[in-house]
Amino acid sequence: RKEVEQDPGPFNVPEGATVAFNCTYSNSASQSFFWYRQDCRKEPKLLMSVYSSGNEDGRFTAQLNRASQYISLLIRDSKLSDSATYLCVVTSYSGAGSYQLTFGKGTKLSVIP
Amino acid sequence: GAVVSQHPSRVICKSGTSVKIECRSLDFQATTMFWYRQFPKQSLMLMATSNEGSKATYEQGVEKDKFLINHASLTLSTLTVTSAHPEDSSFYICSAQWTSYNEQFFGPGTRLTVL
Repeated sequence: RKEVEQDPGPFNVPEGATVAFNCTYSNSASQSFFWYRQDCRKEPKLLMSVYSSGNEDGRFTAQLNRASQYISLLIRDSKLSDSATYLCVVTSYSGAGSYQLTFGKGTKLSVIP
Repeated sequence: GAVVSQHPSRVICKSGTSVKIECRSLDFQATTMFWYRQFPKQSLMLMATSNEGSKATYEQGVEKDKFLINHASLTLSTLTVTSAHPEDSSFYICSAQWTSYNEQFFGPGTRLTVL
């Protein structure tokens, strides 16, 4: 079983649509959870952290369910600029004060005019 | 703040040559730096974890003699791909971790093409 699994997509949605991405992780000792955004041929950029209580940043809402080891990202009112690959990222402590990130393969989103 | 640079951004080389990639944290001291590799349509795969002043820890399947990592200071780590072959062509990304923080800050990546 892969450590972090995501639906690869692609998700092709019209502008203004609401789209949801899901992610599951296998390591129950994982400590922190993030969504990153990666544009084509660029480095990943942190989109938002994910907490059990859920968190919202504008049009983006992230949710964590530790019991189910499941993470979600909801994007409302999609914009053309939201087109990118969204990476689910899970961290675990690897010793000596450092944390290791494990990336999902990413879900590709294309927002269509 | 928290800017990480990589150099070069793109390199094309002949098979058998060695390529050095630099990763610098510009405005903070990074006790730990990470090197990732990303093949087309694949996720980022951690290659190694590098702590300043000590030997890097390599992930399973990554040859330490082929991918030499030096982390000589708190702001610089280098990855040298020795005797590069076409199958080493990939997008190499470094990240730097600020002490005590979970977050890693990524460099812009280096696209290596081996002919």
